[in-house]
Amino acid sequence: RKEVEQDPGPFNVPEGATVAFNCTYSNSASQSFFWYRQDCRKEPKLLMSVYSSGNEDGRFTAQLNRASQYISLLIRDSKLSDSATYLCVPVRGGSNYKLTFGKGTLLTVNP
Amino acid sequence: EPEVTQTPSHQVTQMGQEVILRCVPISNHLYFYWYRQILGQKVEFLVSFYNNEISEKSEIFDDQFSVERPDGSNFTLKIRSTKLEDSAMYFCASMGAGSYEQYFGPGTRLTVT
Repeated sequence: RKEVEQDPGPFNVPEGATVAFNCTYSNSASQSFFWYRQDCRKEPKLLMSVYSSGNEDGRFTAQLNRASQYISLLIRDSKLSDSATYLCVPVRGGSNYKLTFGKGTLLTVNP
Repeated sequence: EPEVTQTPSHQVTQMGQEVILRCVPISNHLYFYWYRQILGQKVEFLVSFYNNEISEKSEIFDDQFSVERPDGSNFTLKIRSTKLEDSAMYFCASMGAGSYEQYFGPGTRLTVT
């Protein structure tokens, strides 16, 4: 089973839409969770950290369900600038905190 | 806002040549990483570095690769004899103590011809 599974998309949504990404992880020892976004040919940029059940930052809400090993990211009122690939990244303690990326979910926000 | 920097932004080299990719991590960070991304594929972990030594390396990080922190600010990745398949974006990342958040540099695009 893959360490991280996300819907690859692509998701095409109009400006102003609400969009949700889902992610499941296989290692129950994962302690920390991150959402990164990556623009084409650019570096991954940290979007949100999720340490407890969830986190909210403006238009972005992340939720964590440890029992189901499931993380989600909700984007409200999407903007053109939200177009990117969104990457869910769980991290195990004692793993030297290395990040294991999947291919992520591609989002395109259309005018 | 502090950021990770990398040089050069693009490096073109011939197969068999040595390259050194340079990174300046965020100044008070203690954990350093190299990742690479082949075009169209996912970001892959190469190596982690802490307390002046490698703490973990992936299968990709074979004897052709080495890392060094020659002074208090730079963190380098050396590829001794480049192969065509080493062509990729190489990202440096750093992390502070007490935080699991890694911040990435803008990357070096390595093209091996």
